[in-house]
Amino acid sequence: EVQLLESGGGLVQPGGSLRLSCAASGFTFSSYAMSWVRQAPGKGLEWVSAISGSGASTYYAGSVKGRFTISRDNSKNTLYLQMSSLGAEDTAVYYCGKSSYGGNPSAIDYWGQGTLVTVSS
Amino acid sequence: EIVLTQSPATLSLSPGERATLSCRASQSVSSYLAWYQQKPGQAPRLLIYDASNRATGIPARFSGSGSGTDFTLTISSLEPEDFAVYYCQQRSSWPYTFGQGTKLEIK
Repeated sequence: EVQLLESGGGLVQPGGSLRLSCAASGFTFSSYAMSWVRQAPGKGLEWVSAISGSGASTYYAGSVKGRFTISRDNSKNTLYLQMSSLGAEDTAVYYCGKSSYGGNPSAIDYWGQGTLVTVSS
Repeated sequence: EIVLTQSPATLSLSPGERATLSCRASQSVSSYLAWYQQKPGQAPRLLIYDASNRATGIPARFSGSGSGTDFTLTISSLEPEDFAVYYCQQRSSWPYTFGQGTKLEIK
C-alpha cells in the first residue's frame, strides 16, 4: 500500500524558514517523480515544486523560485521541501504527491494527508 | 504560464442526474490534462489522467474527453458521494497549473 506521510509544518514568523519532509512507502521511491502542491485556506490548488525520480531535475512555481528548494533522499525514501523567506502568502496546507508514472512529473495518483504551514507573527 | 479556466464555478444537480464540467486552456496542452476530486478536509483524488484515462479504482461513471484547449469531465449518473470540488490540471509545460475548481453541489 502506498503511503505518504508529511511532517514539519507549523507556525513560523514572516521571513523565517521551515523544512517539510514526506516519508514514502509501498512503492519503488526512486522510480517516480514527486511533487509538492499547496492549498491556501479556502482556496484552490497550486503546484509548488517537483523533482524527477533521480533527483537530477527540479521544477518550481514562479511564486517560490529562489526561496524554496526541493530535494529527495532515495536511500531514505524521503522527499523534502526547504522553505525560506516565508511570507503570509505561503500559509497553506502542503501536500506531497507521487507521480502516476515515470521518473518525470505527471498527474499525482497518491497524496499525503497534508501538513499545515502558517506564517504569522 | 498556461491558465486553465473551469466552468461553471458551481453546478447544482440532483443524484441520478448527469454532470458535465468544462476546462479550457489558454493554449494547447495536447492531451496532458488530469481531473481531480476533492472533498472537505481531504487530499485531492486523481480521477482522470491524460484527458481520458480513468485512474485505478475510479468508477466507470466518470469519463473525460477533449484535447488541445477544451476538455470535459462527465459524471453519467451522480451518486451522493460525488458532490465535491473538481479541479483540472495540465502537465503540458512547467509550471504545471490547476483550474480554479468547480463545486458540484446537491440541488
